[in-house]
Amino acid sequence: ETGVTQSPTHLIKTRGQQVTLRCSSQSGHNTVSWYQQALGQGPQFIFQYYREEENGRGNFPPRFSGLQFPNYSSELNVNALELDDSALYLCASSAQGARDSPLHFGNGTRLTVT
Amino acid sequence: GQSLEQPSEVTAVEGAIVQINCTYQTSGFYGLSWYQQHDGGAPTFLSYNALDGLEETGRFSSFLSRSDSYGYLLLQELQMKDSASYFCASYGDDKIIFGKGTRLHILP
Repeated sequence: ETGVTQSPTHLIKTRGQQVTLRCSSQSGHNTVSWYQQALGQGPQFIFQYYREEENGRGNFPPRFSGLQFPNYSSELNVNALELDDSALYLCASSAQGARDSPLHFGNGTRLTVT
Repeated sequence: GQSLEQPSEVTAVEGAIVQINCTYQTSGFYGLSWYQQHDGGAPTFLSYNALDGLEETGRFSSFLSRSDSYGYLLLQELQMKDSASYFCASYGDDKIIFGKGTRLHILP
């Protein structure tokens, strides 16, 4: 069973640039969710995709957008990067939605915005 | 708004029992989950309560009281490897909310 994989592991960008982070779901999982985790804080929910449709969104501006592909892999895109976007970005997959299914997390992408 | 409150830090002795509490305010509440995260690692699922009562999984147990909007994670026979951050999380109104985490320090 292949777990959740994220790429890249680390990324350094300049303020104003755009970034795309990628996630491959665990096999058999059709739901993916993305989180931003600042140092010493809990994961903050960005959004969730179920069968290629966004079906839940946290309090993040529209410059945070995403996609889920037919193979259930996913991308997180962030436009017009700001210094406060520096964080660990986590992707999690789950089976049949996240309401009562455990989230399986990838190891994350550490984004630094300078 | 939706929020989950948990203590920021807890300290316990190796071999002892520790309880980490979580109170929540979540609309459309489904259930309470617990995750463990070691420094530099990914969160890993520990336990889930949809109904009131105690769920036991090895050394870890989790409890939920819907009427009190309260739950806890109980760790028994503490081991040094249990030193980590622990997060409660809930799903409500199409959002997944995590608490800020409880840092567990274990003394030898």
